[in-house]
Amino acid sequence: GAVVSQHPSWVICKSGTSVKIECRSLDFQATTMFWYRQFPKQSLMLMATSNEGSKATYEQGVEKDKFLINHASLTLSTLTVTSAHPEDSSFYICSAIPGHIGDEQYFGPGTRLTVT
Amino acid sequence: GQQLNQSPQSMFIQEGEDVSMNCTSSSIFNTWLWYKQDPGEGPVLLIALYKAGELTSNGRLTAQFGITRKDSFLNISASIPSDVGIYFCAGLRGGATNKLIFGTGTLLAVQP
Repeated sequence: GAVVSQHPSWVICKSGTSVKIECRSLDFQATTMFWYRQFPKQSLMLMATSNEGSKATYEQGVEKDKFLINHASLTLSTLTVTSAHPEDSSFYICSAIPGHIGDEQYFGPGTRLTVT
Repeated sequence: GQQLNQSPQSMFIQEGEDVSMNCTSSSIFNTWLWYKQDPGEGPVLLIALYKAGELTSNGRLTAQFGITRKDSFLNISASIPSDVGIYFCAGLRGGATNKLIFGTGTLLAVQP
């Protein structure tokens, strides 16, 4: 149980275009999902906390107008990278919590974004 | 953003050797977690520690929550080739948020 999927697993897009990444909890409902970014050979950095039915909370330094997060249902959160640039190329990973604060975060397999 | 200091950065060992890595912070955490990440995948939880001083094992893995709540270590005994990957510690402060702060990572390479 507690499986989180991401789609797509990898994507290549041209500079200036937008790309949407989906994060789904397959066998549980997730009131809270998190989005992380990981550059090569670096650690995971939290970008934002996504709560179902409300606006996402962004970490300091993360542009909310560039990284649009929508948590429209208890099993789906999406991250849209708008007007992507090569420096946005990264590994984007989501995680989800089954229900209560303090519950374990289950991580998705990640999405590799390359902006050319 | 904040990161936890993890050491060593990388380790290259022979199969069968024991491995030890640690994680330190300037601030207190209520929960310490250890994850393993394989290339191109998300992290997978190995061990969770919830109380200062707690020592927990999971197979060949043993982890401890430091008494000061500012550090943790992970030991892997009798390493095998499939232990290869990047190991991350993560701290959770608790309260009204579930935000994880990740360590800088330790790359482990195991030579058969």
